[in-house]
Amino acid sequence: DAKTTQPTSMDCAEGRAANLPCNHSTISGNEYVYWYRQIHSQGPQYIIHGLKNNETNEMASLIITEDRKSSTLILPHATLRDTAVYYCIVRVVSNTGKLIFGQGTTLQVKP
Amino acid sequence: EPEVTQTPSHQVTQMGQEVILRCVPISNHLYFYWYRQILGQKVEFLVSFYNNEISEKSEIFDDQFSVERPDGSNFTLKIRSTKLEDSAMYFCASRGQVNYEQYFGPGTRLTVT
Repeated sequence: DAKTTQPTSMDCAEGRAANLPCNHSTISGNEYVYWYRQIHSQGPQYIIHGLKNNETNEMASLIITEDRKSSTLILPHATLRDTAVYYCIVRVVSNTGKLIFGQGTTLQVKP
Repeated sequence: EPEVTQTPSHQVTQMGQEVILRCVPISNHLYFYWYRQILGQKVEFLVSFYNNEISEKSEIFDDQFSVERPDGSNFTLKIRSTKLEDSAMYFCASRGQVNYEQYFGPGTRLTVT
């Protein structure tokens, strides 16, 4: 699975959009971009995933660049409860389906 | 909304003892996983399980570890002889056949003394 690079930490004001970047310059054609988050030692929580088109669900939007070498997770109106570590994971969808977590980005939402 | 559950939430054991961590995956899921997270470190994959057998395991998952699906609902992780370095949060996850997103349980904190 391709390697990802994320900033170690970010701050965001409550009510504002949080934009979390991820670089995955070695991504291959059959690899998806997944985002999970982990709120204070709870189990990781699935947020969203995409292959090449932008995706949106009730939690977030995922913007993938045309060359697929980077992506941005957008939380449109961040709340204090969105404070968490956010993981960008690039992987081939396979039967095994294991997730390889990096260090992620610690997002601190401030009042 | 269906969720993955894990018991116990916290287990304290002495070095050398056997422990069994229990998970109840989401009922119609077919793929099951164990991960662990040592305090302050990354979440690490241990093992995946499908169709009543291990489909992949990491280097961490040595002969001291085993997994089992003893009935139609439970999925267990056994550590035969615990070591101090086994102290960690252990997360169970499951996923369905169609969607590839994994759903994680709340974790079991294992403390080996």
